[in-house]
Amino acid sequence: EAGVAQSPRYKIIEKRQSVAFWCNPISGHATLYWYQQILGQGPKLLIQFQNNGVVDDSQLPKDRFSAERLKGVDSTLKIQPAKLEDSAVYLCASSLGGEETQYFGPGTRLLVL
Amino acid sequence: AQSVTQLDSQVPVFEEAPVELRCNYSSSVSVYLFWYVQYPNQGLQLLLKYLSGSTLVKGINGFEAEFNKSQTSFHLRKPSVHISDTAEYFCAVRKSGGSYIPTFGRGTSLIVHP
Repeated sequence: EAGVAQSPRYKIIEKRQSVAFWCNPISGHATLYWYQQILGQGPKLLIQFQNNGVVDDSQLPKDRFSAERLKGVDSTLKIQPAKLEDSAVYLCASSLGGEETQYFGPGTRLLVL
Repeated sequence: AQSVTQLDSQVPVFEEAPVELRCNYSSSVSVYLFWYVQYPNQGLQLLLKYLSGSTLVKGINGFEAEFNKSQTSFHLRKPSVHISDTAEYFCAVRKSGGSYIPTFGRGTSLIVHP
C-alpha cells in the first residue's frame, strides 16, 4: 500500500514570496490533515478535512495560509506572502476517518530567507 | 484541553542498553495516548497506542509503553536499543472517542552511541 505522498520535499523562498505544497493521501482515506512542525517542537495542526469539507481550521493563519481539497482526494496548502517564522516542516497526514490512526507523509521542509 | 510534557529533550544511550523516554499528560477527560517516531528527514510513524484495556502496550521495533492513570504517565521503554533507533520520539494525547486532534509533545531526541 502506497503511503502519503508530499511534494516538494524541500523549498527555499524569500520572505513575501508565495509557495504551495501538495499532498496525496492514502487511497480511500477520507480524512486529511496539514500540520506545521517548527524546529524543536511537535507538530501543530493547521487544518483538517473530511472528504472535501473543512472540519477544523481554527489554528490556520487565514490572512496568509489557505488550503483546499478539491474532489476529496489531493490537497494543496498555500502560503502567501511567506514570513520568516513560516520556516518549518509541513506534514500531511491521512486517516480512514477522524477516529482512526493517522499516517504521515515525509513532509515538506520550507526555509524562508 | 489536553497537554503533553516530554521531560527529556535529549536522551543519549549506548547500544544494547535499556532506555526509557518519559511522557506525562494532563487532561480532565479520558484520553487516548500515542507514541510516534520520526527518523531524520521523514514523517512521523506510529510506534504504539493506548486506547483502552491492558495498560501495557506493545508496539513495533521492540518498544512498549505503560499507561499509568494515577501518575498520568505513558513512558516508552525498550530493553535493548540499536543504533537504528536513533530518532526523534513524540508522545501525543487526544480525547477518547469521536474525532479529535492529538496534541503532541515537543519530542525527545534518542541518540544511540556504539
